[in-house]
Amino acid sequence: KAGVTQTPRYLIKTRGQQVTLSCSPISGHRSVSWYQQTPGQGLQFLFEYFSETQRNKGNFPGRFSGRQFSNSRSEMNVSTLELGDSALYLCASSLAFGRRNTGELFFGEGSRLTVL
Amino acid sequence: AQKITQTQPGMFVQEKEAVTLDCTYDTSDQSYGLFWYKQPSSGEMIFLIYQGSYDEQNATEGRYSLNFQKARKSANLVISASQLGDSAMYFCAMREGANQAGTALIFGKGTTLSVSS
Repeated sequence: KAGVTQTPRYLIKTRGQQVTLSCSPISGHRSVSWYQQTPGQGLQFLFEYFSETQRNKGNFPGRFSGRQFSNSRSEMNVSTLELGDSALYLCASSLAFGRRNTGELFFGEGSRLTVL
Repeated sequence: AQKITQTQPGMFVQEKEAVTLDCTYDTSDQSYGLFWYKQPSSGEMIFLIYQGSYDEQNATEGRYSLNFQKARKSANLVISASQLGDSAMYFCAMREGANQAGTALIFGKGTTLSVSS
């Protein structure tokens, strides 16, 4: 069973540019979320999607946006990149939304973004 | 105020020893879930163990157990018989609220575990 796949794994951008990151959840998983990990701030929640709808959003500026497609794949976009956006962006997926389960979330290996 | 507090930036242990990684949490919700994840240098987050707030027994998964003390708002991870491959960053995380199947977690700052031979 394939895990959560994130592309690209590494990328370098310059300030002011925009970037799109992709996440393919485990087959059958419909809930996807995104996290930003930096040495200073640690792991911070960005957004959560289920059935193409954003269900939850973290405390990030409007430059950070995302979407989910009908096949549950998700993309996140960061516009007008700043140096502080350099981070590891992690995607997680889980089986269900809205009912209790064991709570296991599966993470991808992340996309490491460097902004110069 | 921090919702998840991991007070040990780094821990050092020898192979085959047991180690406890501390985690305290803060929430006013009655329904919540607590997680531990391991992050090796490769970056991937690996799920270790989960404890629901209404679970009466402490969760166990192989060599991992979660020492859940609800009144103290504590969810410490115990790793028995440490192995060299356990060297990694360990994160405690919480999911608040009635949606106990969502993917929005609050993470602690992490504890780096180093296991030596």
